[in-house]
Amino acid sequence: GAGVSQSPRYKVTKRGQDVALRCDPISGHVSLYWYRQALGQGPEFLTYFNYEAQQDKSGLPNDRFSAERPEGSISTLTIQRTEQRDSAMYRCASSAADNEQFFGPGTRLTVL
Amino acid sequence: DQQVKQNSPSLSVQEGRISILNCDYTNSMFDYFLWYKKYPAEGPTFLISISSIKDKNEDGRFTVFLNKSAKHLSLHIVPSQPGDSAVYFCAAKYTNAGKSTFGDGTTLTVKP
Repeated sequence: GAGVSQSPRYKVTKRGQDVALRCDPISGHVSLYWYRQALGQGPEFLTYFNYEAQQDKSGLPNDRFSAERPEGSISTLTIQRTEQRDSAMYRCASSAADNEQFFGPGTRLTVL
Repeated sequence: DQQVKQNSPSLSVQEGRISILNCDYTNSMFDYFLWYKKYPAEGPTFLISISSIKDKNEDGRFTVFLNKSAKHLSLHIVPSQPGDSAVYFCAAKYTNAGKSTFGDGTTLTVKP
């Protein structure tokens, strides 16, 4: 079956622009997670959802970052007024059983 | 401060020999631990996990050992194969809570 998909795979934007990153989880997976990964580091937790409810957003670095999952399936991570320090790989994962997570290929964001 | 640490950024072993990857954690409340494997240009994929009620879990060539008193876990791969060459991430979480905390990874190279 299809795995977790993310789009776009690459995004280059200018400082100050807003970006929206999309995640399409594995069908039927209850939980969806967003992570950010810098080069040479492990994924860093941002936020996660059970169904459409945002359960934990403690990892979002500031109020420019937000996420939604309105129908309990596809999720969007939005970064407003992007800054160069936002450049990173953004990874989405989903899970059925709340422990093992299935990761997507990521969106590489570059802010110029 | 990092709650999950993988102190060896890289490891090189000969094909057929044992690979041992190590991971330390500081938060004694973590009770579920996972190893993920990542190939270039792909997202991490789940490899093996262990609950804190166990001290060993085995799956084919992969065995994870947990030493709760030392807050240390290790992944053993026996025998190592060239296809095992990848980045290995250790992760820790609370059972039935969403987010995982990842280490920075160890790059394993298995030489033919």
